[in-house]
Amino acid sequence: GNSVTQMEGPVTLSEEAFLTINCTYTATGYPSLFWYVQYPGEGLQLLLKATKADDKGSNKGFEATYRKETTSFHLEKGSVQVSDSAVYFCALLVQGGSEKLVFGKGTKLTVNP
Amino acid sequence: NAGVTQTPKFQVLKTGQSMTLQCAQDMNHEYMSWYRQDPGMGLRLIHYSVGAGITDQGEVPNGYNVSRSTTEDFPLRLLSAAPSQTSVYFCASTLRASGYNEQFFGPGTRLTVL
Repeated sequence: GNSVTQMEGPVTLSEEAFLTINCTYTATGYPSLFWYVQYPGEGLQLLLKATKADDKGSNKGFEATYRKETTSFHLEKGSVQVSDSAVYFCALLVQGGSEKLVFGKGTKLTVNP
Repeated sequence: NAGVTQTPKFQVLKTGQSMTLQCAQDMNHEYMSWYRQDPGMGLRLIHYSVGAGITDQGEVPNGYNVSRSTTEDFPLRLLSAAPSQTSVYFCASTLRASGYNEQFFGPGTRLTVL
């Protein structure tokens, strides 16, 4: 089946620190990969995406590269800000099957000034 | 476009009460879905629909009913609420393009069952 495993949180960093949130996946087909962000009290927003191997998704200083050989899609940011404090979800979607979005359990990030 | 809208934003029910969570989208997406979000569990799929008149069960369908009479609306019904259904509920609609899909989420409904 399809599944996503992301690093357990919570993660606490100081402002301007480097961020990595690991995400690995298993899929029966060829998935598209996503990172969603959920700010406190809000719904999920798409942060970035990649649809094929070696694609790099990027947005708001965040990046993630679709690595088929390691089945990974790690989220990185070079210098986090307090406003990046949120819960981050890695997700995959396999087209042509049930086309259901499968989420990881989420990683809570807190950035302190 | 309003995107995906959900009502109400907050709701408190007593055990055994029934209610309907509303979801609407104005993007003409065929595929819609309902998730619940619980601490440490991520998002779990309750029900989904691939088009008007077609619904199917997701990962955690028990205690919930859905219908899809129009493309725009996808209500979620709790027939007899239980404390285990205390959660945050998200509706989503999916843009399906050639070689790519993307889901758009509503703002959520926070439900407490006493």
